[in-house]
Amino acid sequence: NAGVTQTPKFRVLKTGQSMTLLCAQDMNHEYMYWYRQDPGMGLRLIHYSVGEGTTAKGEVPDGYNVSRLKKQNFLLGLESAAPSQTSVYFCASSFAEPPYEQYFGPGTRLTVT
Amino acid sequence: EDQVTQSPEALRLQEGESSSLNCSYTVSGLRGLFWYRQDPGKGPEFLFTLYSAGEEKEKERLKATLTKKESFLHITAPKPEDSATYLCAVVGNTPLVFGKGTRLSVIA
Repeated sequence: NAGVTQTPKFRVLKTGQSMTLLCAQDMNHEYMYWYRQDPGMGLRLIHYSVGEGTTAKGEVPDGYNVSRLKKQNFLLGLESAAPSQTSVYFCASSFAEPPYEQYFGPGTRLTVT
Repeated sequence: EDQVTQSPEALRLQEGESSSLNCSYTVSGLRGLFWYRQDPGKGPEFLFTLYSAGEEKEKERLKATLTKKESFLHITAPKPEDSATYLCAVVGNTPLVFGKGTRLSVIA
């Protein structure tokens, strides 16, 4: 089992460029999540999905879009990147809704210049 | 609004020097409190879930406890490999809310 994997591991964007981060899990989990982690801020929830074809907003959704076309994949899109989106992005998945534990991927470090 | 506060922000221990990390929380209808470990450059790794006041869980040198207002992560006789950032999170009526973490350094 690979668990939760994220692609890419690192990325540098210029302001205004777009990109998609891919998250994949092989644990047959229903729930998937995208977080960002910034120094001094802790992990903050961007969007989440409670099943294939569903998405919902988290604490900091502005500037991001998501899609869950397949149960095992959860995509995070940045349509027009801004320097404020420089962060480390983590994907997570869980079998069902909390308090089931979430399992995290290794992260994507994104820099927007 | 659900909130989680962890203290101290950073803790430096000598190998074998036991201590505790604190996680204070305010949440509407606590459904679970989580502890995670995060190593530099990696994603958080699940340690424990606590569901109700009075509950305790142990794993190797770690023991987590829960009251109605806070949780403690007790580290007994720590080793250098216990060095990491420890994150606390709660779930109530909203999705998981994380604290900012405690950065633990254990010196040989």
